[in-house]
Amino acid sequence: QSALTQPASVSGSPGQSITISCTGTSSDVGGYNLVSWYQQHPGKAPKFLIYEVNKRPSGVSNRFSGSRSGNTASLTISGLQAEDEADYYCCSYATFDTWIFGGGTKLTVL
Amino acid sequence: EVQLVESGGGLVQPGESLRLSCVASGFTFSSYWMTWVRQTPGKGLEWVANINQDGSEKYYVDSVKGRFTISRDNAKNSVFVQMNNLRDEDTAVYYCAGLWSGYNAFEFWGQGTLVTVSS
Repeated sequence: QSALTQPASVSGSPGQSITISCTGTSSDVGGYNLVSWYQQHPGKAPKFLIYEVNKRPSGVSNRFSGSRSGNTASLTISGLQAEDEADYYCCSYATFDTWIFGGGTKLTVL
Repeated sequence: EVQLVESGGGLVQPGESLRLSCVASGFTFSSYWMTWVRQTPGKGLEWVANINQDGSEKYYVDSVKGRFTISRDNAKNSVFVQMNNLRDEDTAVYYCAGLWSGYNAFEFWGQGTLVTVSS
């Protein structure tokens, strides 16, 4: 079970939008509508941002949005803010009742 | 307020065992799948194991099959992982997390407990 592929780092200026990709296979990202995204600040536990590809739980800012095309899911953060600087992880349900995370992307707000 | 509090981490030698515990509060524990996720220092997250609401279904990442056993006690709002024959590569912060079928995602997370396997 190889980790989903994410860029190691992305950056953007305050107010801009950035997109983080998450590439898997037809056995995980492309095969199920069960992609989720998490934000993790240094030394903290992950925080749940997006579920089922593009749905936002209550309490999560609408600046965060998710999408998918084929075997690649994406997280877009619009109106970048300083507090968005963190690591971001995608996760997908995979075959045989397992789950697989991406390798993580470090977002730097310039 | 939702809380997940892990305990039981520590320093062990290769081949030894450790049992991690996680106590939950602030949500209906018995309605959630529970999960252990680990994070190697400075690296990414790795799903380790899941257990369903009544404990009848358990799933593991290949690297821990046969060595780790997940269990739960709904009366005590607790989930456990028994880790046997530990290896250097099991060194990580271990998080417990709650997965609700309504989201199919890890909604709640604990703060983690550090397991170090080293001789």
